[in-house]
Amino acid sequence: QQPVQSPQAVILREGEDAVINCSSSKALYSVHWYRQKHGEAPVFLMILLKGGEQKGHEKISASFNEKKQQSSLYLTASQLSYSGTYFCGTEKNSGYALNFGKGTSLLVTP
Amino acid sequence: DVKVTQSSRYLVKRTGEKVFLECVQDMDHENMFWYRQDPGLGLRLIYFSYDVKMKEKGDIPEGYSVSREKKERFSLILESASTNQTSMYLCASSRGTSNQQFFGPGTRLTVL
Repeated sequence: QQPVQSPQAVILREGEDAVINCSSSKALYSVHWYRQKHGEAPVFLMILLKGGEQKGHEKISASFNEKKQQSSLYLTASQLSYSGTYFCGTEKNSGYALNFGKGTSLLVTP
Repeated sequence: DVKVTQSSRYLVKRTGEKVFLECVQDMDHENMFWYRQDPGLGLRLIYFSYDVKMKEKGDIPEGYSVSREKKERFSLILESASTNQTSMYLCASSRGTSNQQFFGPGTRLTVL
């Protein structure tokens, strides 16, 4: 089942912060985050695993609340290069394929 | 660097034609995936494969089939293309379990 992302779109000025949320109606093993720039392939940002392990970029932070089946991606001091569409992908058990959300469009303006 | 390549960036086909989309990865990944991406719908999984000759249906397998005869290659087949299969098709690969997926550049397919 497709996870729900919010907000659908957000516009920021350079230097501002943003939070993107991802929630699922089912128990999750992991949450993956990707960013896709216009005309390009999605690029991996981070994985958050049940139990607290994280794999990914040091400069991007995220949280995973296993009980609430929710994850949030925190973009602080945004830069123009942060613009793009952010997707969360959820995995219900280790080794299962991901279910991706519909995406959150982020635009950072000067 | 991991590289995932797809046979075409743009493809135009006629309704009823058989269409082959090819994906090749060069990092010996066990897992390969096919997604379609449509505006406002995100990435939807069509089929995936955990090993050679293995395949699993994703969320929207109807009208598609796949083939994985070699570890590095995963093909998506549209047996009889229809206009509602006009979309961007993305291939991805990953190693092991719960690891990052590497995406190819995508094939934009138009069915007339």
